[in-house]
Amino acid sequence: DAKTTQPPSMDCAEGRAANLPCNHSTISGNEYVYWYRQIHSQGPQYIIHGLKNNETNEMASLIITEDRKSSTLILPHATLRDTAVYYCIVGLGGYQKVTFGTGTKLQVIP
Amino acid sequence: EPEVTQTPSHQVTQMGQEVILRCVPISNHLYFYWYRQILGQKVEFLVSFYNNEISEKSEIFDDQFSVERPDGSNFTLKIRSTKLEDSAMYFCASSDWDRRSTGELFFGEGSRLTVL
Repeated sequence: DAKTTQPPSMDCAEGRAANLPCNHSTISGNEYVYWYRQIHSQGPQYIIHGLKNNETNEMASLIITEDRKSSTLILPHATLRDTAVYYCIVGLGGYQKVTFGTGTKLQVIP
Repeated sequence: EPEVTQTPSHQVTQMGQEVILRCVPISNHLYFYWYRQILGQKVEFLVSFYNNEISEKSEIFDDQFSVERPDGSNFTLKIRSTKLEDSAMYFCASSDWDRRSTGELFFGEGSRLTVL
């Protein structure tokens, strides 16, 4: 029942921007795009979410295409601590459960 | 910064024993969740809880599982008779969703359950 497609793994040089893509071609008009990450075996951590507009917070930026069928999470200056599995999730938000896929394993290289 | 806390961090039990995993959600949150992650696999939804009752549960959450909010702060997951395949990391999460927010989930650090 996966609603998103992400590359299984990516590498990024430390200090460079990490751009993580996500396809969600079947997203419906009222569904949000959420990004979480999981560092090693820790609990998942919320990063950012958006509906239509691009969003930025202290952790990352989220770029959503105009047709909303894909998005990109941008970590502007990746550090070694950003090495994690990044999950792109679409959902109605609110109190609805979050359904995790397999995500993208980002390795930040010194 | 408020956080979700879970105890124990690691529990080892014998097959067939009962286990209770405890969670203290963020204090003003109203929605609570349990997830699990078997080693090397996806994070899987187990159950959501609101207003002292289960809102939704997955196929994994069978009669061996139960949840409870015994007081104003704790949220527990009980596994009645553990099986080997229950070995996993169990994550508690909470959310403060209302119409003014979009309800991102805040997760605890997890309880690792090992069933021998």
